[in-house]
Amino acid sequence: RKEVEQDPGPFNVPEGATVAFNCTYSNSASQSFFWYRQDCRKEPKLLMSVYSSGNEDGRFTAQLNRASQYISLLIRDSKLSDSATYLCVVRTTGNQFYFGTGTSLTVIP
Amino acid sequence: NAGVTQTPKFQVLKTGQSMTLQCAQDMNHNSMYWYRQDPGMGLRLIYYSASEGTTDKGEVPNGYNVSRLNKREFSLRLESAAPSQTSVYFCASTKLDSSSGNTIYFGEGSWLTVV
Repeated sequence: RKEVEQDPGPFNVPEGATVAFNCTYSNSASQSFFWYRQDCRKEPKLLMSVYSSGNEDGRFTAQLNRASQYISLLIRDSKLSDSATYLCVVRTTGNQFYFGTGTSLTVIP
Repeated sequence: NAGVTQTPKFQVLKTGQSMTLQCAQDMNHNSMYWYRQDPGMGLRLIYYSASEGTTDKGEVPNGYNVSRLNKREFSLRLESAAPSQTSVYFCASTKLDSSSGNTIYFGEGSWLTVV
């Protein structure tokens, strides 16, 4: 079983739409959780950390459910510039980072 | 703001040739990593170095060796390149102290093709 699993998509949504990505992780002792964004032929970059209480950064909202080992990312009012691949990332107690395969998002004009 | 710097950015190798990917970070991070990224496979850990002087195998170490030269530098060597090693390679680093929120930072990637 993979450490981190996420729906690869692709998600094709119109501008202004709300889109949600989900991710599950297998190690219940995982310590830290993140969403990264990766543009085509670029390196992954931190989008936001995910906290147990949930957190918001502008149009982006991240949620963590430790009991279900589930992480989500909600993007409101999608912009063309949001088109990218979104990676779910989990850090374990062994200080290892595990990455989902990524969810592809295309925002259509 | 250099962050994580890796070289070369692009390389074409013939089967059996050797090469070293170089990586350096200027953020005083103690842990460094080498990943490969292939379509549909996501990022897979090749080797990592939790701190200067230590290295450990990751998920896909076969065909690779690493050297943690000092705190800043972590190199990845392909001793005898194979077509299966055609991939994008990312070096990364993180501080990894007692704080739980440490994030991982990536270099811009090295595109390697083995023919």
